Amino acid sequence: GNSVTQMEGPVTLSEEAFLTINCTYTATGYPSLFWYVQYPGEGLQLLLKATKADDKGSNKGFEATYRKETTSFHLEKGSVQVSDSAVYFCALSNAGNQFYFGTGTSLTVIP
Amino acid sequence: ETGVTQTPRHLVMGMTNKKSLKCEQHLGHNAMYWYKQSAKKPLELMFVYNFKEQTENNSVPSRFSPECPNSSHLFLHLHTLQPEDSALYLCASSHAQGAGSEAFFGQGTRLTVV
Repeated sequence: GNSVTQMEGPVTLSEEAFLTINCTYTATGYPSLFWYVQYPGEGLQLLLKATKADDKGSNKGFEATYRKETTSFHLEKGSVQVSDSAVYFCALSNAGNQFYFGTGTSLTVIP
Repeated sequence: ETGVTQTPRHLVMGMTNKKSLKCEQHLGHNAMYWYKQSAKKPLELMFVYNFKEQTENNSVPSRFSPECPNSSHLFLHLHTLQPEDSALYLCASSHAQGAGSEAFFGQGTRLTVV
């Protein structure tokens, strides 16, 4: 089956710290992988995506690399800002047009 | 602004009321989704429509009734809800064919059942 597992939160970091949020997946076929971000009171917004093995998605200083050998898609940012405080969701989609989401990881960045 | 618009943003309803949530997209997508987001729970897929046809119903109680009159509009009709149905209801859309196409989400409707 298809599923996504991401690290439990909450995560609290100081401004300018390095961020890693782990995400692993199980999937049939060749899924696409996504990171979404949800700010308080809002819906989910696409942060970045990768559609095949070894692709790196990047946006706003965030990066994630599609690792087929370890079935992982870890989110990283070199220097977080207070404005990055949000909930981050890892997700996959397969050829059947289904989206599977992780449970979300809450990030709080303190000045 | 993601191109997916949900109304209303907030809704308070009694357990005997009937109400509807509306979702609209003009992104040219032909797949639309309803998700339920409850506190401290994973995002729950409720319904999927591809080309106006319902292709997924994830064991959702019959008090939730979806309607997709065309590829741009999706409704969720609500009746005789329970307090545990209080949650953020998210609509999303995407291209229907193949993987690789991301889902675009609306801002959600915060539903409170009293």
